[in-house]
Amino acid sequence: GIQVEQSPPDLILQEGANSTLRCNFSDSVNNLQWFHQNPWGQLINLFYIPSGTKQNGRLSATTVATERYSLLYISSSQTTDSGVYFCAVAPGTASKLTFGTGTRLQVTL
Amino acid sequence: EAGVVQSPRYKIIEKKQPVAFWCNPISGHNTLYWYLQNLGQGPELLIRYENEEAVDDSQLPKDRFSAERLKGVDSTLKIQPAELGDSAVYLCASSSGRGLGYTDTQYFGPGTRLTVL
Repeated sequence: GIQVEQSPPDLILQEGANSTLRCNFSDSVNNLQWFHQNPWGQLINLFYIPSGTKQNGRLSATTVATERYSLLYISSSQTTDSGVYFCAVAPGTASKLTFGTGTRLQVTL
Repeated sequence: EAGVVQSPRYKIIEKKQPVAFWCNPISGHNTLYWYLQNLGQGPELLIRYENEEAVDDSQLPKDRFSAERLKGVDSTLKIQPAELGDSAVYLCASSSGRGLGYTDTQYFGPGTRLTVL
């Protein structure tokens, strides 16, 4: 099956800093999504982005499908950004998502 | 609008005992998913329902796991008998069903944390 690698595995930032999270995948995908799981376990969809660039407030994401990677940018980080960020991919829209192991982000004051 | 509701939030059982988890999706959502999340890993799909029909259950260990979604609304996931390795968080999600396949935005519940002793 498709392999998903996320880096870095852990990241500690001071409030206000910017960060870039990376997701590499082993095969062509037609479905790529980013999720945030907060420290209490609630999982929220951030972006559906199989290609191109999207922005939502302080978050933006870019997927370069031909090179098999996606980036999630967090600007002016806040403590509420803490948690685990997952990238999930699928080769087709009718295929289940395969989640990566995540990047654990801690934002400190 | 209420989100996805799951119960119980926590469950501790002895191995070989049965256990059941309940999920109430967002009102009007036709698609319902059950995921398993082991510590330090991403969620893994167990089963997906479109209304009452299980359209993807290839990852469900059918020797001990079963699921149902009567009337196409609430769903129950059961494990019988539970094993030590079943300790994990069980997540339920729902989506409107208007999107294309798995591209539909999934809304997750808070999960049930199962501990098997």
